[in-house]
Amino acid sequence: SQQGEEDPQALSIQEGENATMNCSYKTSINNLQWYRQNSGRGLVHLILIRSNEREKHSGRLRVTLDTSKKSSSLLITASRAADTASYFCATDASYSGAGSYQLTFGKGTKLSVIP
Amino acid sequence: DAGVIQSPRHEVTEMGQEVTLRCKPISGHDYLFWYRQTMMRGLELLIYFNNNVPIDDSGMPEDRFSAKMPNASFSTLKIQPSEPRDSAVYFCASSSSDSYGYTFGSGTRLTVV
Repeated sequence: SQQGEEDPQALSIQEGENATMNCSYKTSINNLQWYRQNSGRGLVHLILIRSNEREKHSGRLRVTLDTSKKSSSLLITASRAADTASYFCATDASYSGAGSYQLTFGKGTKLSVIP
Repeated sequence: DAGVIQSPRHEVTEMGQEVTLRCKPISGHDYLFWYRQTMMRGLELLIYFNNNVPIDDSGMPEDRFSAKMPNASFSTLKIQPSEPRDSAVYFCASSSSDSYGYTFGSGTRLTVV
């Protein structure tokens, strides 16, 4: 079963605009990660936010986490055509000790950035 | 590092045939994961290994699926016999216990006709 659910399923914006994607999850987590997948390629790790963090930045990416609402958002500022991809959130909810974990992925948000 | 390497990139096979997918993880990574991606079900974890030992194979759909990791640099996912509903993109990913991000391979697109 899917732990994370992204919203919206698809998003189309103009180049230069900001893109916001949301992720909701069901159980307590240790950390939440965001990945990007370009068409026909594997997923690429973007950013990780731990359960005790509320916000994190990496370049044009900004991630927030609200554990009370079990939700996270990914903001891409000043979007570019090259940002066109699917974006997935993944949660680590089965941590059982040092070095033991697995990620559960949502179904993703398909972002289209129009030049 | 060349990243996680999967082969083949594409596989077309007839129903009933055996299919073997291969993965070479990043050197030094002690975790290896096999995922399957379809439009309907998204990304599903099939099995994962830690230090070459299978830890959780509860995601393997049927006995037709098996996975091995004979050493730290190689893993296989085998489907025997294959069925049309096995058509999907199969991803291998590796990770280190020192960090939490996964590195994915480019995937194998399997089509069973």
